[in-house]
Amino acid sequence: KNEVEQSPQNLTAQEGEFITINCSYSVGISALHWLQQHPGGGIVSLFMLSSGKKKHGRLIATINIQEKHSSLHITASHPRDSAVYICAVDLGADGLTFGKGTHLIIQP
Amino acid sequence: KAGVTQTPRYLIKTRGQQVTLSCSPISGHRSVSWYQQTPGQGLQFLFEYFSETQRNKGNFPGRFSGRQFSNSRSEMNVSTLELGDSALYLCASSFWTGAHTEAFFGQGTRLTVV
Repeated sequence: KNEVEQSPQNLTAQEGEFITINCSYSVGISALHWLQQHPGGGIVSLFMLSSGKKKHGRLIATINIQEKHSSLHITASHPRDSAVYICAVDLGADGLTFGKGTHLIIQP
Repeated sequence: KAGVTQTPRYLIKTRGQQVTLSCSPISGHRSVSWYQQTPGQGLQFLFEYFSETQRNKGNFPGRFSGRQFSNSRSEMNVSTLELGDSALYLCASSFWTGAHTEAFFGQGTRLTVV
């Protein structure tokens, strides 16, 4: 069974800070997703990765397949980045397996 | 292009009743997956439908079922509701099935069982 561990569980930072959220998983995967969930429930897919690094605006996601680890970085953080960030892994079958999420609060 | 639409957004049901939730995927998407989110368990995979066929199923009791229609719209049904079924139910649509396929999520249906 694949376990997905995220850290930290909660993170409060000041506006402008560089943010890093980590995700580790226990078995080989086909792809890894980073998701963002705002209060109210809707989920937005930020990245889908199977190797290397992807960048979209102020967001950067990296994955190291050998170490079974991925990171999500936010540069120049802003209060509107406050949300729950969820890592999910795709084994190719059985749907996605999710981490518990990281609750991020960016204070002005 | 319209996103994934889930209806209703909120629902209150009584223990023992049944409920049907609906998910309309993005136009052209043929895969619909359903997820349950609770404070205790987080997000958990329920099942995936592709071209009207259930492809994968998570570890949920038989009270949870679903189907997909020829227009790719999907419904999820929960029978004999229990208090523990109170959750946010999310669906996600994809153009294809399997890994390396980006998923687009709906806003969810918040079900409260009393």
